[in-house]
Amino acid sequence: GAVVSQHPSRVICKSGTSVKIECRSLDFQATTMFWYRQFPKQSLMLMATSNEGSKATYEQGVEKDKFLINHASLTLSTLTVTSAHPEDSSFYICSARVPGQPYGYTFGSGTRLTVV
Amino acid sequence: GENVEQHPSTLSVQEGDSAVIKCTYSDSASNYFPWYKQELGKGPQLIIDIRSNVGEKKDQRIAVTLNKTAKHFSLHITETQPEDSAVYFCAAKATNAGKSTFGDGTTLTVKP
Repeated sequence: GAVVSQHPSRVICKSGTSVKIECRSLDFQATTMFWYRQFPKQSLMLMATSNEGSKATYEQGVEKDKFLINHASLTLSTLTVTSAHPEDSSFYICSARVPGQPYGYTFGSGTRLTVV
Repeated sequence: GENVEQHPSTLSVQEGDSAVIKCTYSDSASNYFPWYKQELGKGPQLIIDIRSNVGEKKDQRIAVTLNKTAKHFSLHITETQPEDSAVYFCAAKATNAGKSTFGDGTTLTVKP
């Protein structure tokens, strides 16, 4: 089946530094990738949608300059949290649309970001 | 936009009993309704889905029912096992929508 590999699974960083999270589609080409944020015991909040080779579309209220998304290839999308602060601590999850399945989406395993 | 409500937020059952989680949606254009299981510290995994041209779908111990008129759909888990314990999310999506709208999740605990 379609697999999205997400790394790292956990990361701790200091306030003010930047952190990059990677999502790779292992056995398919992901033209569209979704990035979610999830707070403890809450639902998934869509942050942005990225399409390979074009700028990401951000949801209302999400800072584009803080959460940089790059989807430079059909198998790799990255989310960079810039100048991280403790309030950015959260669980970040990517999801890719599976080709040939208009409704099919597969999720990465998530990244637990803790900013200290 | 679409609004999905999910109930209950927590559900505790004895092993072997059935569990039912319900969701309602607001956008009549939504035509795809997946259910995801999320274990602690992991990403969601699709467990079953249903499209609007079908009223019920079953896969072993899990089933999903859809009532388009009432705009609600439900997840049914029979003969629950401790390993079914997780957070379950419903979602709704329309064909022309790029994104899915998720419910707030249900924490299911199956007691041995």
